[in-house]
Amino acid sequence: ETGVTQSPTHLIKTRGQQVTLRCSSQSGHNTVSWYQQALGQGPQFIFQYYREEENGRGNFPPRFSGLQFPNYSSELNVNALELDDSALYLCASSREGLGEQYFGPGTRLTVT
Amino acid sequence: AQRVTQPEKLLSVFKGAPVELKCNYSYSGSPELFWYVQYSRQRLQLLLRHISRESIKGFTADLNKGETSFHLKKPFAQEEDSAMYYCAVAGGTSYGKLTFGQGTILTVHP
Repeated sequence: ETGVTQSPTHLIKTRGQQVTLRCSSQSGHNTVSWYQQALGQGPQFIFQYYREEENGRGNFPPRFSGLQFPNYSSELNVNALELDDSALYLCASSREGLGEQYFGPGTRLTVT
Repeated sequence: AQRVTQPEKLLSVFKGAPVELKCNYSYSGSPELFWYVQYSRQRLQLLLRHISRESIKGFTADLNKGETSFHLKKPFAQEEDSAMYYCAVAGGTSYGKLTFGQGTILTVHP
């Protein structure tokens, strides 16, 4: 069983730029959730995709957007980057949007 | 709104001592409670969930709806239990969305 993978591992961007983060879900999973984890904090829910549709969103502005593809992999896009967007971005996959979520290793984004 | 509180940022115990990591939540409806663990240089992973009622690595957690608590316990801590522990809640209209606490760093000394 292949686990959740994320790319890239690290990324440095400048304020105002745009970024795309990628996630491949675990084999057999059709749901992907994205979380932002600031330093010293627990992960915060950004949104979830289930069968290519957004299925719930946390308290994040519209410049955070996403996509899910037919193979259930997903992208997180952030426009007009701000310094406060610097964080670890976690992707998690699950079956049918339920219960146990399996996390990827994360992408560390630094905005300067 | 859902909220999870882990009152202890840091917790230190000696090997063989009992350990309890506290978690309180606020939630309307029927919540699903989880404990996630992150060992050094590893990804976040599920430790246990209340509906399965399993004991994983000697840890147990009981959902107390009256006190809205889901404390994690282990009678005899081991050095390999040293890690970051997160309590999380999901369910209801935010189905599938996990709300995490801020985490507790557990250090087990030899």
